[in-house]
Amino acid sequence: DGGITQSPKYLFRKEGQNVTLSCEQNLNHDAMYWYRQDPGQGLRLIYYSQIVNDFQKGDIAEGYSVSREKKESFPLTVTSAQKNPTAFYLCASSGAERQPQHFGDGTRLSIL
Amino acid sequence: GQNIDQPTEMTATEGAIVQINCTYQTSGFNGLFWYQQHAGEAPTFLSYNVLDGLEEKGRFSSFLSRSKGYSYLLLKELQMKDSASYLCAVSRITDSWGKLQFGAGTQVVVTP
Repeated sequence: DGGITQSPKYLFRKEGQNVTLSCEQNLNHDAMYWYRQDPGQGLRLIYYSQIVNDFQKGDIAEGYSVSREKKESFPLTVTSAQKNPTAFYLCASSGAERQPQHFGDGTRLSIL
Repeated sequence: GQNIDQPTEMTATEGAIVQINCTYQTSGFNGLFWYQQHAGEAPTFLSYNVLDGLEEKGRFSSFLSRSKGYSYLLLKELQMKDSASYLCAVSRITDSWGKLQFGAGTQVVVTP
């Protein structure tokens, strides 16, 4: 079945460490997105990409980095510069304007 | 600004009807999505409105008034499994295609 796969489901980061969250889709969607969700809050956009080898900052890009080397993959790195990384991270993709975004199951990141 | 406003929480009884309102700034409006999100899970798409009027899908209906910057999601014959957060999201002509601005979500609690 087509869908979006995020891994790992749970991730722990040590102080000063970079960690990478994986997002893979087999929906043949051009656009992919990373969101951060904090308890009781909505989704905030970190980065998005509409085409391979191109990506744009969202509303809260500081302390994060991404790459888009393949259409299917959009990994997110949470760098040590992100001082408050504990959150639920969601990856999404969409195929065309006015089509809904499809979401992965999320990665919950915590600090050790 | 692009404020999207929803009530924080609503409580209703099993079998009843609940209406979740969403207001947004009308500039550059290009469409509105509703998502359902159970705790700790990914959001799932419920409905999309781009023209004024009511869209009905089984127990769920969504209404849009473009001139008033207003939408609502109507949940009928409430079931316990409808307890979730409901997210309103707006797309704008001024944004890259597919990009959405999310409201903070409305937590619906269904009681027996």
